[in-house]
Parts: sequence; C-alpha cells; structure tokens
Amino acid sequence: AQSVTQPDIHITVSEGASLELRCNYSYGATPYLFWYVQSPGQGLQLLLKYFSGDTLVQGIKGFEAEFKRSQSSFNLRKPSVHWSDAAEYFCAVKGYKLSFGAGTTVTVRA
Amino acid sequence: SAVISQKPSRDICQRGTSLTIQCQVDSQVTMMFWYRQQPGQSLTLIATANQGSEATYESGFVIDKFPISRPNLTFSTLTVSNMSPEDSSIYLCSVLSGGRTDTQYFGPGTRLTVL
Repeated sequence: AQSVTQPDIHITVSEGASLELRCNYSYGATPYLFWYVQSPGQGLQLLLKYFSGDTLVQGIKGFEAEFKRSQSSFNLRKPSVHWSDAAEYFCAVKGYKLSFGAGTTVTVRA
Repeated sequence: SAVISQKPSRDICQRGTSLTIQCQVDSQVTMMFWYRQQPGQSLTLIATANQGSEATYESGFVIDKFPISRPNLTFSTLTVSNMSPEDSSIYLCSVLSGGRTDTQYFGPGTRLTVL
C-alpha cells in the first residue's frame, strides 16, 4: 500500500524566514514524489517532482526538496518566504495512482 | 504542461438535482482523472477516464452517482447526480501530460455547494 503523511497541519512563518514542510511516504518500490501548492480558491500547481537521480530537487518559486530514502522523507524547503507563499501544500506519491497527504497550511506573517 | 479549464468554476445547487462539470485540455491526453476535495480535506481520486473505454472508479465511488464521459482526447465530463449537502466539495480534473506518463497536472477546480 502507498501512503503519505504530512505531520504538520499548519505552519506560521514570518516573511523572509525559512520554511520547511515535512513529508513521509510509504511505498514498496522506488517512489515518484511530488509537491503541489494550492492557493486560496485555486487548483493545484506542481512545485517539483522527484523520479530518480540527484536527491536534491529544484522547483519553481524558489522551492527545493530533498529525497532521503533512509528516512522515507521528501521535505520541502524555501530559504526565504514571501507573503505570496501563503497556501496549502500537498505532498504526493505515485505508485499505481497518485496519493496525497493531508496537506499543510502555511500562513505568512508580516 | 497542459492547460486545463473547467466549467463551471463554482455553483450552488439544490439537493436532489444533478450537475455536470466539464474539463477541457488544450492538447490530446490519454488519461484524465477526476478528484474530489471535501472542505478542509485532501484530494481523493474518484475515477480514471480513458478515451474509448469505461471509466475506472475507486472504492467508494460508483458510476450511478458520478457518471463520466470521455468522448475524445481533450474533453471529459463528470456528473454529480442526485446531490446532497455531503457532495459539497471542490471537484478537480487532472491529466497526464508533457510527454511524461508520471506527472499529473490539475485544472482550477469546480467549487460545488449543495443546499
């Protein structure tokens, strides 16, 4: 069975501070991993993806994620958060289908 | 990546009625997916729709409640039938695109409220 856990339901961060969102997955084989962002009232936008190769993946909007097989993790990071980064973030794993975590809501305070 | 549009973007419906949601893609795609996102929840796959074949439904979803059409490689519809307030959700269309078979892109969603 495949599953995704996002331990943090809600994170508040100050503008300009760094951000890290945690994601743990369960999948029997080498996973395909994704991070999506959903801004209020919007659909899902793909931030980045990992299929193989370099375990540090660069995405759009200044985000990056690191795949750690030993920890079954795929954490998302951004060095300096902007107010426009306030959104819902979903980690997903693709096995026989795309399965999503519960999401982490990010609030950015001025 | 593909550009995906959905109609309507939102609707308010009375219980017992049905609503058909349209999904249009700007390029031909083999696989299309329909998801439901209940308020404050994550996304749940309803069904996979391939052109020329019956849609494949996930556990907990049935064709009588969520009939799907896939008449060509750029278009699909999802109907939410005999609606109840529990059907109030965002419904999202998704496709595999960009030459990759492993990356899904999503439409903007249809926000449905059932009174």
